[in-house]
Amino acid sequence: SQELEQSPQSLIVQEGKNLTINCTSSKTLYGLYWYKQKYGEGLIFLMMLQKGGEEKSHEKITAKLDEKKQQSSLHITASQPSHAGIYLCGAANRSPPQGAQKLVFGQGTRLTINP
Amino acid sequence: DAGITQSPRHKVTETGTPVTLRCHQTENHRYMYWYRQDPGHGLRLIHYSYGVKDTDKGEVSDGYSVSRSKTEDFLLTLESATSSQTSVYFCAIKTWGTGELFFGEGSRLTVL
Repeated sequence: SQELEQSPQSLIVQEGKNLTINCTSSKTLYGLYWYKQKYGEGLIFLMMLQKGGEEKSHEKITAKLDEKKQQSSLHITASQPSHAGIYLCGAANRSPPQGAQKLVFGQGTRLTINP
Repeated sequence: DAGITQSPRHKVTETGTPVTLRCHQTENHRYMYWYRQDPGHGLRLIHYSYGVKDTDKGEVSDGYSVSRSKTEDFLLTLESATSSQTSVYFCAIKTWGTGELFFGEGSRLTVL
């Protein structure tokens, strides 16, 4: 079965600094999802990547998909306290991701922003 | 929020009692999912549905059943709740065109 490993597991950065979170799959990636979760709350959809080399941005968050490396990265520029939370990646197990395939998720990366 | 409503949002019950969680969506999406989230295990798929009366098992389906008699509702039932089913349960829907997956706000279940 497919497994996703996120690194680092936790991250503490000073406000204003840039940071990167990685998500590595044990199998081929067919669609990669990124979410943010505040403690005790639901998952907020950030971005979905489908094609190798694809890159998407939303405000100060950029995600990239490297199919060859079976990896995705999430980069936050000039971090703010509002970026704090748990970031989760999820992956589709087969193509196309629009179908009813099962998704697996990483364990999450806990991000703390220090003022 | 993709029009997803989960109910109840919080429930405390006793071992051996039946429990039903409801996921309601307002946008006619075909694909619906139930996940549970636990410390150390992350999000794990319980069951999913790809249409009315069409469901399939996920990786942790034992002890759970689901039903989908109409497009907008996907029910998760614990026939006889156990303490190991104490968890936060999330419903999700997938949009047809983009394949994006949106989650509900979660239902926190405590089995004593």
